[in-house]
Amino acid sequence: ELKVEQNPLFLSMQEGKNYTIYCNYSTTSDRLYWYRQDPGKSLESLFVLLSNGAVKQEGRLMASLDTKARLSTLHITAAVHDLSATYFCAVDEAGGGADGLTFGKGTHLIIQP
Amino acid sequence: DVKVTQSSRYLVKRTGEKVFLECVQDMDHENMFWYRQDPGLGLRLIYFSYDVKMKEKGDIPEGYSVSREKKERFSLILESASTNQTSMYLCASSSLGGLEFFGPGTRLTVL
Repeated sequence: ELKVEQNPLFLSMQEGKNYTIYCNYSTTSDRLYWYRQDPGKSLESLFVLLSNGAVKQEGRLMASLDTKARLSTLHITAAVHDLSATYFCAVDEAGGGADGLTFGKGTHLIIQP
Repeated sequence: DVKVTQSSRYLVKRTGEKVFLECVQDMDHENMFWYRQDPGLGLRLIYFSYDVKMKEKGDIPEGYSVSREKKERFSLILESASTNQTSMYLCASSSLGGLEFFGPGTRLTVL
């Protein structure tokens, strides 16, 4: 059974600081997704990582994937309040996208002004 | 833009009632999914479908069934709602090998 673990589950940080969210998974997969969810809203796609060594960046967020270590990271640079949200990683075990995703429990991120 | 819509944002039902949650996508996606989201548990896959009239059980199918009569529509059915099915239900769709796009969610309360 695939397990996806995020670390930390809760994170409070100050604006301007850097931090990394970690996502470990228990089976071989080269498809990993990062989503953002604001309170009361649905999930918004951030990144799709499709191969070992993949790195994607959007603004202050950068995601990477190491399939050998079964690890993805979401790095936040110089955090701003607007990035406060819950971040989920999700793994596509089957690889074709047809069998659904297995999600981590989410990292609740609060960025203090 | 991909659009995934769900029939209700909020729903309140009584124990034992039959509940239908509808999901429609407008991008001709082959795959459709139903997840439930609970605090501290993340999202868990209930059922999915990769084609019309096809359905597969996800991780937590007990107490649910689904229907996909048309490509754009995927329904989740609670045959006899119970209080432990109070949750946020999220529908998603994707093309073959593509990204999953999520609907706005239905917050279901079963009294």
